[in-house]
Amino acid sequence: DTGVSQDPRHKITKRGQNVTFRCDPISEHNRLYWYRQTLGQGPEFLTYFQNEAQLEKSRLLSDRFSAERPKGSFSTLEIQRTEQGDSAMYLCATSLNTEAFFGQGTRLTVV
Amino acid sequence: QKEVEQNSGPLSVPEGAIASLNCTYSDRGSQSFFWYRQYSGKSPELIMFIYSNGDKEDGRFTAQLNKASQYVSLLIRDSQPSDSATYLCAFQAAGNKLTFGGGTRVLVKP
Repeated sequence: DTGVSQDPRHKITKRGQNVTFRCDPISEHNRLYWYRQTLGQGPEFLTYFQNEAQLEKSRLLSDRFSAERPKGSFSTLEIQRTEQGDSAMYLCATSLNTEAFFGQGTRLTVV
Repeated sequence: QKEVEQNSGPLSVPEGAIASLNCTYSDRGSQSFFWYRQYSGKSPELIMFIYSNGDKEDGRFTAQLNKASQYVSLLIRDSQPSDSATYLCAFQAAGNKLTFGGGTRVLVKP
C-alpha cells in the first residue's frame, strides 16, 4: 500500500451516464497526476496538478473529462456521457519531489 | 516515433539468471528516469529512479542511464518467479509529468 487511495476500485456504468472518481494523495504530496491505462498499454497521461492548480492537460482529455483538486488535497476526475471507449483503468499518482506513487486504480467498464 | 520505446516481450528468463530490459526515449529534455513493475490487474509500483549517467544499484536491481544515447536499462539479477510482471520505463521532463513506455513483459521460468 503506497498511501495513495482511490475510490471506487471498480465501476460499471451504462453508456451515457456520468461517473466520478476520487483520489486521496499521501498527505504531504503536492503533485497529483491522473493517468488512463488500457490492456497491454502503458499509462497515458491525462492531467497534472501542483497543489490546487491544474498545470497541464493532455490532448486526450476531451471536453467530457474534467478534473479538480479544490483544496490541494484530494482530487476528482469526472467523465460525462461515458462511451465504451472510456473503459480503462484510471490511475492516480502523487509525488512530493521526484518519485511518484500510484494508487490501486479505478477500473471502469462502460456497457 | 513514440516518446518512449520498449520491447513488448515477453522476455523469458530462467530462474536465477539476469533479466536485461531496455528503453529508449526521444525527449532530450528528459531529466529523471523511472522503472515501475506492474503485476497483472494491479497498479504500477516504483522500483527505482535514476537521473545521472552511469549505474545505480538497489538490491537485485541495477538501472543504467546513457543520456548521450538516450537509453536507459534495467538489470534484474538472480531472477525469481515473483519477478514475472510487466516492467514500465518512464521519463520526467521539466514539466514534471511522467511519460511511460508500453512496458516489457517478463516471464521467469522455474
